[in-house]
Amino acid sequence: GAVVSQHPSRVICKSGTSVKIECRSLDFQATTMFWYRQFPKQSLMLMATSNEGSKATYEQGVEKDKFLINHASLTLSTLTVTSAHPEDSSFYICSGAGAETQYFGPGTRLLVL
Amino acid sequence: QQPVQSPQAVILREGEDAVINCSSSKALYSVHWYRQKHGEAPIFLMILLKGGEQKGHDKISASFNEKKQQSSLYLTASQLSYSGTYFCGTSYGGGADGLTFGKGTHLIIQP
Repeated sequence: GAVVSQHPSRVICKSGTSVKIECRSLDFQATTMFWYRQFPKQSLMLMATSNEGSKATYEQGVEKDKFLINHASLTLSTLTVTSAHPEDSSFYICSGAGAETQYFGPGTRLLVL
Repeated sequence: QQPVQSPQAVILREGEDAVINCSSSKALYSVHWYRQKHGEAPIFLMILLKGGEQKGHDKISASFNEKKQQSSLYLTASQLSYSGTYFCGTSYGGGADGLTFGKGTHLIIQP
């Protein structure tokens, strides 16, 4: 099956700092990758769609200047949470688009103090 | 538009069956079913693309109605490992669209 990795798996940072999360498709090329966010006891919410070589498309209500997405290659997309605040604490999950479905990474748990 | 999942929660004894429903107010392109254990990422179960489709593997199967507005996930002879939260993810526009997930169904299997 298609495998997607994420790094780091867990990160704790101070308020005001920036955090970068990497999402890699290990055994397939993902022209399109998606970034989701999941708050405790809630569902996954799509944040943005990342296409290799072009600008990401953000969902309504997601600040593009705060959540910077770069998709420089067919196997790597990065999400940078800039000037993180405690309300940004969440579980961030990426997925790579396969032929029919999406394959999710293991997620990154972000805690902003 | 977020799909509606029901029930919110189910508690079963091992060996019992469960049905989880996912419905949309308009026709879908596809329905994706996932199971998520606490603290982990969702695991893909199956995708349905065609109206009237039924598919499954082992004791987990799913259906997609003819109008492509409702899907059901069937868990038969449930096992302890089936415990978790089940989400349906829906797409309206095609395979390269992000998914809109339902609120999830919490399934607890007791020995």
